[in-house]
Amino acid sequence: EPEVTQTPSHQVTQMGQEVILRCVPISNHLYFYWYRQILGQKVEFLVSFYNNEISEKSEIFDDQFSVERPDGSNFTLKIRSTKLEDSAMYFCASKGREKLFFGSGTQLSVL
Amino acid sequence: GQSLEQPSEVTAVEGAIVQINCTYQTSGFYGLSWYQQHDGGAPTFLSYNALDGLEETGRFSSFLSRSDSYGYLLLQELQMKDSASYFCAVGANTNAGKSTFGDGTTLTVKP
Repeated sequence: EPEVTQTPSHQVTQMGQEVILRCVPISNHLYFYWYRQILGQKVEFLVSFYNNEISEKSEIFDDQFSVERPDGSNFTLKIRSTKLEDSAMYFCASKGREKLFFGSGTQLSVL
Repeated sequence: GQSLEQPSEVTAVEGAIVQINCTYQTSGFYGLSWYQQHDGGAPTFLSYNALDGLEETGRFSSFLSRSDSYGYLLLQELQMKDSASYFCAVGANTNAGKSTFGDGTTLTVKP
């Protein structure tokens, strides 16, 4: 079965630093998402992306966050100046037929 | 806004049947999905209901009543490997619409 791939699997950074999380969605999917999950909590929506632009974003997705699809395959989430509370597992997902396919996630630790 | 309620924990024995309920309040309802997540893993799609009634996929079934804003996931012939968190999620009525997840139900299957 096709997969969504994410890199890196773990990212440790200092508060205030920029991080870029990378994702390769499933090739024939059109809708892309970033979600995050703080340990032991629910999966929270961050942003959806379609046709090279943001479709919807949550309150969490403030000016420190941005997304890009720089080429035909990659989909990135950038956090410009990380805060301690950004520590979480970040999942990329792409959608096919009402089914979300999640990547294995990037565990971001902000120190 | 959207909100979902599901039990936080359920325990059952191997071979038994368990039902995980989900009630939701949402605008622009598009469908109810269920995802399974093992510790440290990504959510994986189990089932989707857009219309009222029962959908069966092997040992798992999902039910939806749109008039009651209610659904459930039924797991039969429980196996130890079914121990995981189960999330219901409502989808918005746009193609790129986000899915909003419930807080999750931790299922523990005992021998």
